Amino acid sequence: GQQLNQSPQSMFIQEGEDVSMNCTSSSIFNTWLWYKQDPGEGPVLLIALYKAGELTSNGRLTAQFGITRKDSFLNISASIPSDVGIYFCAGPPQNAGGTSYGKLTFGQGTILTVHP
Amino acid sequence: EPEVTQTPSHQVTQMGQEVILRCVPISNHLYFYWYRQILGQKVEFLVSFYNNEISEKSEIFDDQFSVERPDGSNFTLKIRSTKLEDSAMYFCASRRQLSKANYGYTFGSGTRLTVV
Repeated sequence: GQQLNQSPQSMFIQEGEDVSMNCTSSSIFNTWLWYKQDPGEGPVLLIALYKAGELTSNGRLTAQFGITRKDSFLNISASIPSDVGIYFCAGPPQNAGGTSYGKLTFGQGTILTVHP
Repeated sequence: EPEVTQTPSHQVTQMGQEVILRCVPISNHLYFYWYRQILGQKVEFLVSFYNNEISEKSEIFDDQFSVERPDGSNFTLKIRSTKLEDSAMYFCASRRQLSKANYGYTFGSGTRLTVV
């Protein structure tokens, strides 16, 4: 199946630093989603990208949909302690001719730790 | 903000026992999903449900699994005879419609299933 590979696997940063993480695939995705998961909680949608080249911001977060449609990145500026968590990229895999009912494929996540 | 509600938050069961995980999706949503996350791993799709039937399922969703929408509000996942490897967080999700601009659907907080 179509896989999403995230890097780095984990990051340890100081409060106030900027963060960049990315997600790549060997095949095309037509939608890229970035989720954050806090411990013991479900994933929460941060940013959704629907068009190649699209750059979208949500507060201190900025994400871009790569023009090849095979990658996306997420930047967090001026990190704060509550940014701690696991960040997942996700997208609907290409369906070989059938109808898709909204299934998502997730990357393995980037664990972010922010030191005060 | 409307929420997807899951109960119980934590379930411990003996190997071989049946478990039912319960979810109350957002009330006007039409598409329902179950995902699984083994500790420390990525979120994996199990099944999607629309119009009172399974629309898509993964290889993980074998004959031991079943889903049901017994009334207008609940959506359940049943595991008939649990195995140790079924231990995971199970997330329910729902969405109103399948438009391209609505891929980022809402996840519940999850049920942690521990099989002993």
